[in-house]
Parts: sequence; C-alpha cells; structure tokens
Amino acid sequence: EIVLTQSPGTLSLSPGERATLSCRASQSVSSTYLAWYQQKPGQAPRLLIYGASSRATGIPDRFSGSGSGTDFILTISRLEPEDFAAYYCQQFGSSRGFTFGQGTKLEIK
Amino acid sequence: QLQLEESGPGLVKPSETLSLTCTVSGGSITSSGYYWGWIRQPPGKGLEWIASIFHNGDSYFNSSLKSRLTISVDTAKNQFSLNLTSVTAADTAIYYCARHIAMIRVCDIWGQGTMVAVSS
Repeated sequence: EIVLTQSPGTLSLSPGERATLSCRASQSVSSTYLAWYQQKPGQAPRLLIYGASSRATGIPDRFSGSGSGTDFILTISRLEPEDFAAYYCQQFGSSRGFTFGQGTKLEIK
Repeated sequence: QLQLEESGPGLVKPSETLSLTCTVSGGSITSSGYYWGWIRQPPGKGLEWIASIFHNGDSYFNSSLKSRLTISVDTAKNQFSLNLTSVTAADTAIYYCARHIAMIRVCDIWGQGTMVAVSS
C-alpha cells in the first residue's frame, strides 16, 4: 500500500504570503491520480487539484499543483484569509484503493 | 445541482453493525463515469477512504476494513449504502459519502457528513 506523507504538519503564514505544501509518496504514483483537497472546520473536503496540476472547477488560479513520481507540491501563491484550512493529498493506486495523506494545517501567523 | 446526503443512526453500540445510506439528488446514480463512495474522518484526524461502488454493483474496498464491510446500491431509490459490522470505538468518525469521477479517480462532490459515535 502506498503511503502519502505530507509536510509540514502545520504551516503558519500571513495573508499575502506564499504557501508551499508537500506530499511525498512511499513509491511512485501516477500523476493522473494525484489530487489535493481543502477542508475547512465543520465542512466536507473540497476538490482543489486533480491530475497533479489541473485546477477543479471554480478554484482560483492562486492554487497550483506540480510534481511527479513520488514528490508533489501544492502552492498557494498569495494567501487569502479564506485559504487558512487543512489540506490533504490523495492518490489512487493499482490496488484499486484511495489513500490520503495525513494533512497539513495552514494557520494564520 | 447534484447533492448527496448521508443518513443513519448517530450512535451505535460496540460489536453491532453501523448502517448508513447516501441519497443522491439532482442527478442519477446510474450516470456513466462515476463511482459512489464512502470516506470517514475520526474526530480531529485525517481522511480514510472506506469503499466505492458503481451502479452495476462493481465495488472495491479498503483492505483494512474489507472483512467487515458490505456496500450496495439501489438504483430505483437513487441511493447507496454501507454496512460495517463489529464496530468498536475506533470506528467513531464523521462518515462522508462522495461521488468519484472514474476516469481521474477523485471525489468531486461530497455530502455534508454524518457523525457516528460507537459507545455503549
């Protein structure tokens, strides 16, 4: 089973700053099946990025994804107050199963 | 627009069976290209995928839960359901149902989630 490890666990930044979130897989992952979600307290997750780098419908262009193989990055270019939330990466593997990373909490500094 | 809503008991006793249903509205569960799945989140923790099912019954499961899981679909009612047997406190979580896009394997539409506590 592929394990996704996200870092850092918590990221403290100020509005307007750039956020870089990492997702590392224990073995190579198909970029086609690598996604990122945002989750705010009390809400269901929201799909941000699919296929490692494609923005989902309605997602602002300050969100971008990159990476391949075992290393993937979610970048938020200029943080808005509404971007402070938890972020999860997710992959779908050859074993026909989804796995999620443990999450990164993005908090206001 | 498509909406998903989970329903089920908020409290289940240890060793009993947790049963949840997800009702799909604003669209058909038989739409091509989509699976329907369950994901859970223990309080204060991360997301764990449980299982997914296609409208023809094709399904796949989290291997760590598979022995306790049953998932089914009722196309007439536009619903799909989850049964998890022999529950323990470790099964306490918010349970979400979600639509999966089969081609790119992502969950693009989620229900609001339902909290299930396992306690005597």
